[in-house]
Amino acid sequence: ELKVEQNPLFLSMQEGKNYTIYCNYSTTSDRLYWYRQDPGKSLESLFVLLSNGAVKQEGRLMASLDTKARLSTLHITAAVHDLSATYFCAEHTGNQFYFGTGTSLTVIP
Amino acid sequence: EAGVAQSPRYKIIEKRQSVAFWCNPISGHATLYWYQQILGQGPKLLIQFQNNGVVDDSQLPKDRFSAERLKGVDSTLKIQPAKLEDSAVYLCASSLPWGAAGNTIYFGEGSWLTVV
Repeated sequence: ELKVEQNPLFLSMQEGKNYTIYCNYSTTSDRLYWYRQDPGKSLESLFVLLSNGAVKQEGRLMASLDTKARLSTLHITAAVHDLSATYFCAEHTGNQFYFGTGTSLTVIP
Repeated sequence: EAGVAQSPRYKIIEKRQSVAFWCNPISGHATLYWYQQILGQGPKLLIQFQNNGVVDDSQLPKDRFSAERLKGVDSTLKIQPAKLEDSAVYLCASSLPWGAAGNTIYFGEGSWLTVV
């Protein structure tokens, strides 16, 4: 059974702190995606990771992929309030995307 | 570049009624997806089209849900009759044909359905 599991499901962090969101997936997929969703809005693509060891950074967010461990991480550096949103990882396998349950992030001043 | 367009944005219906959602993908995107997102969960694929052919509809409750993509562009998702558990956001998404390096899917803003 295909599974994409994220943890934590809920994350409350103070501004300026660092934290990591984890995404474990169950297949041998070598493509992993991260999306952001603001309340009442659609999903916005953040990162596309296409190979083992891939690392991508945009602003305070950095995503990495370890296909051997079937693990992707989304690291948040010096969080700011604007990063408050729900973050989803999704694996691509068999021509489909499978989404994780999401991590709801709240950054507190 | 215009994004994925969906309508209506919000719909409230009574159980056993019917509803239809419309989607216009990004120009040139051959692949179109319908996802169901229940509050607090990740999106779940209902159906995937490549041009006007169905690639995967294994998770579509075919006794009440139907979808079509005439002429390989716009798509319509219909629910008839609706149940309370169908209350969700219905997300349409599109992408280039699969295989392009770095390809990703682009989502519309969703159609919010409440069944009462």
